[in-house]
Amino acid sequence: QQPVQSPQAVILREGEDAVINCSSSKALYSVHWYRQKHGEAPVFLMILLKGGEQKGHEKISASFNEKKQQSSLYLTASQLSYSGTYFCGTTGGYQKVTFGIGTKLQVIP
Amino acid sequence: GAGVSQSPRYKVTKRGQDVTLRCDPISSHATLYWYQQALGQGPEFLTYFNYEAQPDKSGLPSDRFSAERPEGSISTLTIQRTEQRDSAMYRCASSLSGQGETQYFGPGTRLLVL
Repeated sequence: QQPVQSPQAVILREGEDAVINCSSSKALYSVHWYRQKHGEAPVFLMILLKGGEQKGHEKISASFNEKKQQSSLYLTASQLSYSGTYFCGTTGGYQKVTFGIGTKLQVIP
Repeated sequence: GAGVSQSPRYKVTKRGQDVTLRCDPISSHATLYWYQQALGQGPEFLTYFNYEAQPDKSGLPSDRFSAERPEGSISTLTIQRTEQRDSAMYRCASSLSGQGETQYFGPGTRLLVL
């Protein structure tokens, strides 16, 4: 079943923070986060495995709440280069990754 | 290779024709995935391979779709008797091994069925 992402779209000014949420109705083994710019392939950001792990990648970090079957992606001090569509993908014990419909993020000067 | 490559990058075909799309994964990667991505949507799983084995093809929309990876490296996705609704971006991704691993996406093949 497809994970649900929220919000569907967000506009930020440079330097502002944002949170993108991803939730599933199924038990999760891992959550993958990708960013896709228009006309390009999705690019890996991070993977979180079950265990409530929090990971960081420059000013982008994420958390994974296994019990709530939710993950959140945190973007701090956003930059113009952060613009794109963010996808979460989930696995439930198998290798098949199911992606959400994405969150469109636009950072403006 | 250094990255995942796909060919052709664009394919225009007439309804009813067969098409074959090719994916060349990163050379050390055991696992290869095929996705269909409609405009404005996330990648939708079609099938995956561990080397030449194909454990899950549950995402293939119909029996017109098939994929193979006979030697555990290059893979092809074939769509027989194409229909207009097959028009989409088809993406391939590869990862080192199983779940919990980063997937590296290829540039995709844009298929247009007229």
